[in-house]
Amino acid sequence: DIQMTQSPSSLSASVGDTVTLSCRAGQILNSFLNWYQQKPGKAPKLLIYAASTLQDGVPSRFRGSGSETDFTLTITNLQPEDFASYYCQQTYTDSWTFGQGTKVDMK
Amino acid sequence: QVQLQESGPGLVKPSETLSLTCAVSGGSVNINYFYWGWVRQPPGKGLQWIGSIYYTGTTYSPSLKSRVSISVDTSKNQFSLKLTSVAAADTAVYFCARGRTREIPHLDHWGLGTLVTVSS
Repeated sequence: DIQMTQSPSSLSASVGDTVTLSCRAGQILNSFLNWYQQKPGKAPKLLIYAASTLQDGVPSRFRGSGSETDFTLTITNLQPEDFASYYCQQTYTDSWTFGQGTKVDMK
Repeated sequence: QVQLQESGPGLVKPSETLSLTCAVSGGSVNINYFYWGWVRQPPGKGLQWIGSIYYTGTTYSPSLKSRVSISVDTSKNQFSLKLTSVAAADTAVYFCARGRTREIPHLDHWGLGTLVTVSS
């Protein structure tokens, strides 16, 4: 399995802030990296695939970047509905793996 | 709009087999174009990929491979998960999901999830 490490595990922010979430892979993924948002009691929602492609309907304040082993999800102008947990996922190998998640809560 | 809905027992005894079904509406369960898979989430913890099925075959998490199987029933437009010899550590919310292959594989539609508790 490819190990996926997200940092920080949690962060506190305010509405209007810009936050940066990191995801590091145990081996080169090229761009086989996806980001999901999950709110409590809900299913995950796809935000970004192929490292930087925004899923249809996802606001442009979400931006994915990175390549090889280091990836970033940036949320600009944080909105109240963005307080949630975020997971990265690699699909480079047949055995897909998720990071352990980053929880973004209100300061 | 594709919708997925998990169903199955909410309580399973230790050492028994967990069986879940995911009914798909608004589209067909076609393994030639989409992945169909399962992800679980233990209470208070993160997401764990269980496995998926595609035209190339089935792929499972190495940690679960000896106990898991995923199959598709196109006549009922659904797919299923079986996990044998369950233990308390298998208690989790189980999600079914569809995977697209545009650019790279990614899970674009999810079921609401169903809680399965392993307890005697």
